[in-house]
Amino acid sequence: DTGVSQDPRHKITKRGQNVTFRCDPISEHNRLYWYRQTLGQGPEFLTYFQNEAQLEKSRLLSDRFSAERPKGSFSTLEIQRTEQGDSAMYLCASSDGGQPQHFGDGTRLSIL
Amino acid sequence: QQPVQSPQAVILREGEDAVINCSSSKALYSVHWYRQKHGEAPVFLMILLKGGEQKGHEKISASFNEKKQQSSLYLTASQLSYSGTYFCGTPSGNTPLVFGKGTRLSVIA
Repeated sequence: DTGVSQDPRHKITKRGQNVTFRCDPISEHNRLYWYRQTLGQGPEFLTYFQNEAQLEKSRLLSDRFSAERPKGSFSTLEIQRTEQGDSAMYLCASSDGGQPQHFGDGTRLSIL
Repeated sequence: QQPVQSPQAVILREGEDAVINCSSSKALYSVHWYRQKHGEAPVFLMILLKGGEQKGHEKISASFNEKKQQSSLYLTASQLSYSGTYFCGTPSGNTPLVFGKGTRLSVIA
């Protein structure tokens, strides 16, 4: 069990640029979740997948946010035309069905 | 619907006990508890699935009262390693987990 892996750990970019984050879940987990966390707040749900199907995406913060899990394994989260308010920690978690979620260490995004 | 946690923060001396509450204005079907240390990922502690159910792990236990729409996390004889922010999460609609704002626990020697 290698745990949930996220890449990169830190991303610094200029406002207006596009960014993409990757998440590799625990290998036998069929569900994958994306969250955003800002300072002093709990993780805020964005979207999740069961295998390659995106089951809920209405919580994505705007149409600038999109996520994919093309082969039901790793997933990517893309933010287009980044804004200052997008600065946050982006967390990925995975689970085996409805079992407890296991989180990765996150990608910290800083917008200059 | 975001669950409400109380207190927002608590400071304990080693060996003291603490209770963290998580409540919802909507019916609760399950409550998930996590702890997050500064700069680290949230770590799963326990899940409660039935009303009135209590679960425990070493000196950390929790209860779930469906009627009161509330769960409580009990930390007994706290240790320095218990320091961190505790979050409760509950399913809501199509959202697998909605987390509360957290309770920051600091244990001092």
